[in-house]
Amino acid sequence: EAQVTQNPRYLITVTGKKLTVTCSQNMNHEYMSWYRQDPGLGLRQIYYSMNVEVTDKGDVPEGYKVSRKEKRNFPLILESPSPNQTSLYFCASSSTDSNQPQHFGDGTRLSIL
Amino acid sequence: QQPVQSPQAVILREGEDAVINCSSSKALYSVHWYRQKHGEAPVFLMILLKGGEQKGHDKISASFNEKKQQSSLYLTASQLSYSGTYFCGTGNWGGQNFVFGPGTRLSVLP
Repeated sequence: EAQVTQNPRYLITVTGKKLTVTCSQNMNHEYMSWYRQDPGLGLRQIYYSMNVEVTDKGDVPEGYKVSRKEKRNFPLILESPSPNQTSLYFCASSSTDSNQPQHFGDGTRLSIL
Repeated sequence: QQPVQSPQAVILREGEDAVINCSSSKALYSVHWYRQKHGEAPVFLMILLKGGEQKGHDKISASFNEKKQQSSLYLTASQLSYSGTYFCGTGNWGGQNFVFGPGTRLSVLP
């Protein structure tokens, strides 16, 4: 089954404790993105990647890091999380075909205390 | 720059129609429409790539006016399952600089 898998689905942690949210896709997609979703603001892009070792900032990259060492994986790293990073996070992937949509993972709800 | 969506929220009775608009101050090269149920992942509805393009499936359709830099989503004879938040999105393809609108919350009542 074609899917984007995020882990964990839920995480409660404390300020300053490094964490990683993993994202993996099995569709051989070149493009992957991370979004955060906050009430009233919609989905805002954090980082995107066009292929292995090619990443770039989206609209709200501050406080986040990403890496793309393999085509299928695109982890999101919070080196020193802060309460304002409490949010619902989505990973998405897509092919190079502009007729095709982004496929979203089920989301990760992060609470930073 | 984030697209603007209107209305912010709409409440319908089952069987009524609705229109959701999406506009941008920047040139639109494509418009994507998604629906999201609370706490779930966005679900793809359709992509419009060309100005003037219209698409639809079931009783949901959309149009894209490239000159006016806007797109509209039409929901006809709404069903309870149509409830959710609808997002339009636009940007360069490859995912770079892809921006979603703030969403329109649609509630369909029996």
